[in-house]
Amino acid sequence: GAVVSQHPSWVICKSGTSVKIECRSLDFQATTMFWYRQFPKQSLMLMATSNEGSKATYEQGVEKDKFLINHASLTLSTLTVTSAHPEDSSFYICSGSGGANSPLHFGNGTRLTVT
Amino acid sequence: GQQLNQSPQSMFIQEGEDVSMNCTSSSIFNTWLWYKQDPGEGPVLLIALYKAGELTSNGRLTAQFGITRKDSFLNISASIPSDVGIYFCAGHPRPNAGGTSYGKLTFGQGTILTVHP
Repeated sequence: GAVVSQHPSWVICKSGTSVKIECRSLDFQATTMFWYRQFPKQSLMLMATSNEGSKATYEQGVEKDKFLINHASLTLSTLTVTSAHPEDSSFYICSGSGGANSPLHFGNGTRLTVT
Repeated sequence: GQQLNQSPQSMFIQEGEDVSMNCTSSSIFNTWLWYKQDPGEGPVLLIALYKAGELTSNGRLTAQFGITRKDSFLNISASIPSDVGIYFCAGHPRPNAGGTSYGKLTFGQGTILTVHP
């Protein structure tokens, strides 16, 4: 089945620094990938849609200058949390689909802790 | 916007028992997906449903796409300790949803399942 690899699994950073999270589709090409944020014991909240070769589409209330998304190839999307603050601490998950009629598959998530 | 009401919020059961959880919506969804999420990991797809009335099994798991297209249930038979986790339903207004259209996927609130040995 479709595999989505996300790296790193967890990261601890100091307030004010930036963190990059990578999401790769290993056995399919994804023109579109999605980034979610999840707080403990809550459901997934869509942050943005990452489009290969073009700008990402952000959900209402998500700061595009803070959460930079780059989708440079059909198999790689990155999320950079810029000038991270403790309130950015969360579980970030990416996902992708192989195309029409293909279910959505998720990466293993990245636990970000900002101290 | 569209919402999915998932219940129960949590379940505590004994190993060997059967489990049932469901999702309902006030609006129609034409694709239903069920995911399981283990602690500290991303959701894993369990079952995908694309046709109203469809009943699909995956091992001990069975899911149905409600005939009204406003609900779906997931059953787990003979639960085992490794069934522990959070189960999410997800719905999409389009039939055979895929690709870019997943930006409109709606998730239920999740059901936390605990299985006592």
